Amino acid sequence: EIVMTQSPATLSVSPGERATLSCRASQSVNSNLAWYQQKPGQAPRLFIYGASIRATGIPARFSGSGSGTEFTLTISSLQSEDFALYYCQQYNDWPPLTFGGGTKVEI
Amino acid sequence: QVQLVESGGGVVQPGESLRLSCAASGFTFRNYGLHWVRQPPGKGLEWVAFIANDDSYTLYADSVKGRFTISRDISKNTMFLQVASLRTEDTGVYYCAKRETTVSPFHHWGQGTLVTVSS
Repeated sequence: EIVMTQSPATLSVSPGERATLSCRASQSVNSNLAWYQQKPGQAPRLFIYGASIRATGIPARFSGSGSGTEFTLTISSLQSEDFALYYCQQYNDWPPLTFGGGTKVEI
Repeated sequence: QVQLVESGGGVVQPGESLRLSCAASGFTFRNYGLHWVRQPPGKGLEWVAFIANDDSYTLYADSVKGRFTISRDISKNTMFLQVASLRTEDTGVYYCAKRETTVSPFHHWGQGTLVTVSS
């Protein structure tokens, strides 16, 4: 099983600032890495896939990078609607499909 | 547009069973495999089970193997998860989710159905 580790668990930032979230895989997942945003009471929403491809409707301030075992999600200038939980997920090798523990982006 | 609508959750005691449903629309149901993913309250996401588009095979997380059964009814565009021998640690929101290919993320999620296992 590929273990996904996200850091930090909580990221405190101010609106307009840059946020950098990290995700590490226990073995290479190539570029088969996705990022999801989840808000309270809602299902996760796909934001980034293929490590760096923005999903439909996702603003350009969100960018993903990395390959192999180290990945980053960057939010260039935080807007109020960006404060949420973010999960990474590998889909390179399954079962099981595995998720990181999440990073909460808060004010 | 793709829609996935879960139902069937509820409050049950340890050892009891439930059948969860996921009604699908907006795509050709028989062409896609489907998944269940769950989320305990206040915790992260856990993949639970998968059924192939043609029902030819199913896959399960080790934590549910032997207790949960995934199935689908193509005539009703509906997927099911029979959850049996429930434990308190099975408590959570159960989502059905769809991928575009076997190497893709979850592009589509339902809104989830809550299962609470408590004595």
